[in-house]
Amino acid sequence: DAGVTQSPTHLIKTRGQHVTLRCSPISGHKSVSWYQQVLGQGPQFIFQYYEKEERGRGNFPDRFSARQFPNYSSELNVNALLLGDSALYLCASSLAGVAGIQYFGAGTRLSVL
Amino acid sequence: RKEVEQDPGPFNVPEGATVAFNCTYSNSASQSFFWYRQDCRKEPKLLMSVYSSGNEDGRFTAQLNRASQYISLLIRDSKLSDSATYLCAVGGVGGSYIPTFGRGTSLIVHP
Repeated sequence: DAGVTQSPTHLIKTRGQHVTLRCSPISGHKSVSWYQQVLGQGPQFIFQYYEKEERGRGNFPDRFSARQFPNYSSELNVNALLLGDSALYLCASSLAGVAGIQYFGAGTRLSVL
Repeated sequence: RKEVEQDPGPFNVPEGATVAFNCTYSNSASQSFFWYRQDCRKEPKLLMSVYSSGNEDGRFTAQLNRASQYISLLIRDSKLSDSATYLCAVGGVGGSYIPTFGRGTSLIVHP
């Protein structure tokens, strides 16, 4: 079975641009979460969606937005990119009712120049 | 105080050594606890869940100390392949399914 898939794997953008990251969860998983991980730190929670509804939002500015589609795939959008947005963006899927166990995709490495 | 704290290390140990990491958490209402392993430039992968009674999986033992609000991971007979960053994750407050991750502890096992 396919795991969590993310696209693209790498991305280079310039300040002020917009980016869209995509994620497909494990088949049967209805919850998708997004995390930002900068070098030397743990994953920082951005959003969680379950059944297309936002279930949680981390401490990120409104430039960050996300949505989940009927097939449970998800998009993370970041507007007006800043240098500090450079990071590994991880998507994780989980089974409903199984608190905390996250299955991560390989991530999208975003560089903002 | 951070919600979840870990000593970043690195812990440098020889093959065959026993090494232990701790992870402290600030919210006493936390209900779910996990250890993840993250290899360099890869995604985190679940290593084991941590139960109140403690649990063991081969060379790995995880324990929870609710009174002192920390979880631990013990690795016995370290292998070169154990070299990685070990992330703890804590969650379940108020039924939340959103875990908070620590910054990770780096382990380097050398020959």
